[in-house]
Amino acid sequence: AQKVTQAQTEISVVEKEDVTLDCVYETRDTTYYLFWYKQPPSGELVFLIRRNSFDEQNEISGRYSWNFQKSTSSFNFTITASQVVDSAVYFCALGGKAAGNKLTFGGGTRVLVKP
Amino acid sequence: ETGVTQTPRHLVMGMTNKKSLKCEQHLGHNAMYWYKQSAKKPLELMFVYSLEERVENNSVPSRFSPECPNSSHLFLHLHTLQPEDSALYLCASSLARDRQYEQYFGPGTRLTVT
Repeated sequence: AQKVTQAQTEISVVEKEDVTLDCVYETRDTTYYLFWYKQPPSGELVFLIRRNSFDEQNEISGRYSWNFQKSTSSFNFTITASQVVDSAVYFCALGGKAAGNKLTFGGGTRVLVKP
Repeated sequence: ETGVTQTPRHLVMGMTNKKSLKCEQHLGHNAMYWYKQSAKKPLELMFVYSLEERVENNSVPSRFSPECPNSSHLFLHLHTLQPEDSALYLCASSLARDRQYEQYFGPGTRLTVT
C-alpha cells in the first residue's frame, strides 16, 4: 500500500518569508514517482514537478525548490521569498505499482501568504 | 481551448435531478480520470479510463455513471444524489495510465446537492 503524509495542514507566513512544506511517503515499490501540485482558490490542480525515485538530485525552478531524501522517504518543497500569489493548497502525490499505478495524494497543506 | 476544461463550473441540483458533468482535454492524452474532493478529505479517485475503456472504479455508488465516448471527452452522469455528494469534482488526463506520467487537471465543477 502507498501512503503520503503532509503533516502541516496550514502554514501562514508574511510576504518575502521562505516556507517549506513537508511530505513523507510510504511505498513498497523500488521505482516510484513523486509529484507536487498547487491548488489555488480557483480550484484547478496545477502540476509543479515530477521526481523519479532513482533521481535524487534536488531541483530548483525560480522561487521553488525541492529536496528529495530517499533515506528518510521525504520530498519537501520550499518556496523562497513567498508572494501573495503563492497562497494555495499544495498537494504531494506518489505514483507506483503498489497502488495499481494510480496516484496517492497527501491531505494537502494550505499556505497563506499575507502582504 | 487548451489543457483540460470542465463544464459547468458550478452546479446546484436537487436530490431527484439528473445532470451531467463534462470534461474535455486538448492535450492528446489517452487516460482520463474523475476525482472527488470533499472538504477536509483527501482527493478521492473515482474512475479511470484508458483509451476509452474504464479500467478502474473505486467502489463508487451507482448514482455516479461515467462515460468516455472518445479519448478527449469524459462525462459523469449524476442521478438521485445525496447531500454528502456535494463536493468539487475534478477531471484529469495523462499521457497514459501509468504512475510516471503527470496528470493535468481541469478547474473542477463545484457541485451542491440540496
